[in-house]
Amino acid sequence: EAQVTQNPRYLITVTGKKLTVTCSQNMNHEYMSWYRQDPGLGLRQIYYSMNVEVTDKGDVPEGYKVSRKEKRNFPLILESPSPNQTSLYFCASRLTGTVLNYGYTFGSGTRLTVV
Amino acid sequence: GEDVEQSLFLSVREGDSSVINCTYTDSSSTYLYWYKQEPGAGLQLLTYIFSNMDMKQDQRLTVLLNKKDKHLSLRIADTQTGDSAIYFCAESFGGGYQKVTFGTGTKLQVIP
Repeated sequence: EAQVTQNPRYLITVTGKKLTVTCSQNMNHEYMSWYRQDPGLGLRQIYYSMNVEVTDKGDVPEGYKVSRKEKRNFPLILESPSPNQTSLYFCASRLTGTVLNYGYTFGSGTRLTVV
Repeated sequence: GEDVEQSLFLSVREGDSSVINCTYTDSSSTYLYWYKQEPGAGLQLLTYIFSNMDMKQDQRLTVLLNKKDKHLSLRIADTQTGDSAIYFCAESFGGGYQKVTFGTGTKLQVIP
């Protein structure tokens, strides 16, 4: 089954404790992206990657890091989480170029709480 | 700059039609999308429309695009309780690796 898999689904952590949210896709998509969803703000892009070893900042990158060492994986790293990073996070992937009409495939989300 | 706006909430009775509206600001948008998010799940692509089209119909869904007013709408005919969800419109623009910007989402509540 074609899918984007995120782990964990739920995470409660303390301020300053480094964490990683994993994301993996099995569709050979070039483009991968991380979004956060907050009430009244919709989805905001954190980071994206156009291919292996190619990453760039989205609209709200502060406090986050990513890496793209393999095509299928795109982990999101919070080096020193803070309470304002409490949110619902989504990983998504898609093809690039002229096939944009296929849209994104989204993971099921990771609900992160930082206390 | 890019900005996509939607009303936050819509309530309809089962069997009625729902119309969810969206306005966008970037006239260079190429594709416009509607995504559906059910409780506890990620977003799923419902439908899309290319920017040179005015209308697209897919079973109970009708998408209308008014490029002059930068207005996009999603009509759901014969709305069912299973249609209760958050609906996001999104636009893509730019050449090559096109950026996708999402709206704030409209929560549709269907009353039995």
